[in-house]
Amino acid sequence: GQQLNQSPQSMFIQEGEDVSMNCTSSSIFNTWLWYKQDPGEGPVLLIALYKAGELTSNGRLTAQFGITRKDSFLNISASIPSDVGIYFCAGQTYNNNDMRFGAGTRLTVKP
Amino acid sequence: GAGVSQTPSNKVTEKGKYVELRCDPISGHTALYWYRQSLGQGPEFLIYFQGTGAADDSGLPNDRFFAVRPEGSVSTLKIQRTERGDSAVYLCASSLRAGGLNEQFFGPGTRLTVL
Repeated sequence: GQQLNQSPQSMFIQEGEDVSMNCTSSSIFNTWLWYKQDPGEGPVLLIALYKAGELTSNGRLTAQFGITRKDSFLNISASIPSDVGIYFCAGQTYNNNDMRFGAGTRLTVKP
Repeated sequence: GAGVSQTPSNKVTEKGKYVELRCDPISGHTALYWYRQSLGQGPEFLIYFQGTGAADDSGLPNDRFFAVRPEGSVSTLKIQRTERGDSAVYLCASSLRAGGLNEQFFGPGTRLTVL
């Protein structure tokens, strides 16, 4: 099946620092998505990308859909304590309605 | 409006027992998805419904797992003869329609522990 490799596995940063995480796949996806999950909650969609090369921002978050359609990155600028959580990338193809998730990046922000 | 709700929030059972996990999707959402999330991993697709029918059940790990959505709204995930390896958080999501352009909204999950 399609495998998503997400890195880094965890990050410990100071408040105010920028963060970057990425996801690569062995297969092509038509949609890339980035989710955040807080403890005891389900994932919440942050950004969805639909076209190769697309760069999309949502406040302090910026994500890009790689040209090869096999990768994506998420940047968070000027991190704040509420950014703490687990971030997941997910990919979707036109033929499948399910999503394939990466293993997540656990972000810790020190005040 | 109300989001996706799941009950129970926690379920502890013994190996070999039968369990049912319930999902109430967002009203009006025709597509419903079940995922399983093991500790330290991302959600893993199990099955999705379009209306009352299971459109794709390719993620169900074996025939001990079964899901229904008889009236096209509430769905129940059923696990027979539970095993310790079934312990995980079971997430439900719904979307207005199926397809990649329709955002999936997740519930808080049911944490299943098999002793």
